[in-house]
Amino acid sequence: AQSVTQLDSHVSVSEGTPVLLRCNYSSSYSPSLFWYVQHPNKGLQLLLKYTSAATLVKGINGFEAEFKKSETSFHLTKPSAHMSDAAEYFCVARNQAGTALIFGKGTTLSVSS
Amino acid sequence: GAVVSQHPSWVICKSGTSVKIECRSLDFQATTMFWYRQFPKQSLMLMATSNEGSKATYEQGVEKDKFLINHASLTLSTLTVTSAHPEDSSFYICSASPGLAGEGVFGPGTRLTVL
Repeated sequence: AQSVTQLDSHVSVSEGTPVLLRCNYSSSYSPSLFWYVQHPNKGLQLLLKYTSAATLVKGINGFEAEFKKSETSFHLTKPSAHMSDAAEYFCVARNQAGTALIFGKGTTLSVSS
Repeated sequence: GAVVSQHPSWVICKSGTSVKIECRSLDFQATTMFWYRQFPKQSLMLMATSNEGSKATYEQGVEKDKFLINHASLTLSTLTVTSAHPEDSSFYICSASPGLAGEGVFGPGTRLTVL
């Protein structure tokens, strides 16, 4: 069965320092992978997606993620955190049928000044 | 860009009553709509997938008689929580997609509190 594992439930960084949110997936095929951000009381926003093209995917707000098949990972990074990046982040995979999304448990990113 | 709205954004109801939540795609036609449930500080769990004009497909463990989904048009899907109980209190999020596949666009969510 396909699954998505976010390795950290909570990540804390200082403003201006790099961000790394880790995600591993498990599936028998190469899935489409996504990162979403959810700010308090707001809807989910798509940050970036991987669909078997370039393995390094650039998203909005300076975020990027690298698909590594050998490691079954799709970690999200950003060179320099902003206070506005504090939110909940979800790593997501599309199911094999392509008809639904499978969410990881989420990582709460805290950014301190 | 594509926008999905949900109404209401927050609803409080008494135990035993039914609550209807609307999900609308504002500027595109949604062939497929998804309904998710999110408990506090937890991930989204897919409840059901609905295609316009056909019956919804429910995920395992989701009571279809309790969570009634109607997708009568290409821009509107409704989720009705029947005979709501406090354990149904949750954040309900819909997502709309113009095709049969695709990640879709997420609505802002509806917070349901059952007293």
